[in-house]
Amino acid sequence: DSGVTQTPKHLITATGQRVTLRCSPRSGDLSVYWYQQSLDQGLQFLIHYYNGEERAKGNILERFSAQQFPDLHSELNLSSLELGDSALYFCASSTSWGIGEKLFFGSGTQLSVL
Amino acid sequence: QQQVKQSPQSLIVQKGGISIINCAYENTAFDYFPWYQQFPGKGPALLIAIRPDVSEKKEGRFTISFNKSAKQFSLHIMDSQPGDSATYFCAASRDGTASKLTFGTGTRLQVTL
Repeated sequence: DSGVTQTPKHLITATGQRVTLRCSPRSGDLSVYWYQQSLDQGLQFLIHYYNGEERAKGNILERFSAQQFPDLHSELNLSSLELGDSALYFCASSTSWGIGEKLFFGSGTQLSVL
Repeated sequence: QQQVKQSPQSLIVQKGGISIINCAYENTAFDYFPWYQQFPGKGPALLIAIRPDVSEKKEGRFTISFNKSAKQFSLHIMDSQPGDSATYFCAASRDGTASKLTFGTGTRLQVTL
């Protein structure tokens, strides 16, 4: 168990809908990362938050947004969902942000858009 | 543009054998190269990582070999065990951090009895 909690584990929704994925990092971890894992694209970095502030953006669509709250949990919001958004979404956390940083991944949220 | 190329896509090794997974990168600014292990239904877990100032790092049965001039690095699993059966991902990033990791496409390893 990595200590990173993601909810829900599975999510089935329809095209055009909006969903929110939630991540609780390990106790004390200030950094939260979101990754998307799909069969054709592999693991893709989406966004990184550190202590409530956005630090880096990767291949995140404009329809997607994220935030990290004062209690350090994070939410990834996906809107106007398309079939291609079906994927496994991972959250990862780390204690610090710097050299030798070690990421701890949650078990992911499997999103199916029908 | 795929910045980290991983091979093979799948690998079958007998118990006790050596598993070798290779990765090649293009961006010379990369300076942090971790390997992650992922079991079905779980998130990736950091296995071992290396910085470009060393050519090899060993942790138990797992060894990373790094060739800076060739822009290649590989994972060797000695005395492979059935419990090692998982998907392995190489990755790379700049500034020695885990931010904006670029992952390889993964290698599914199966260790048979």
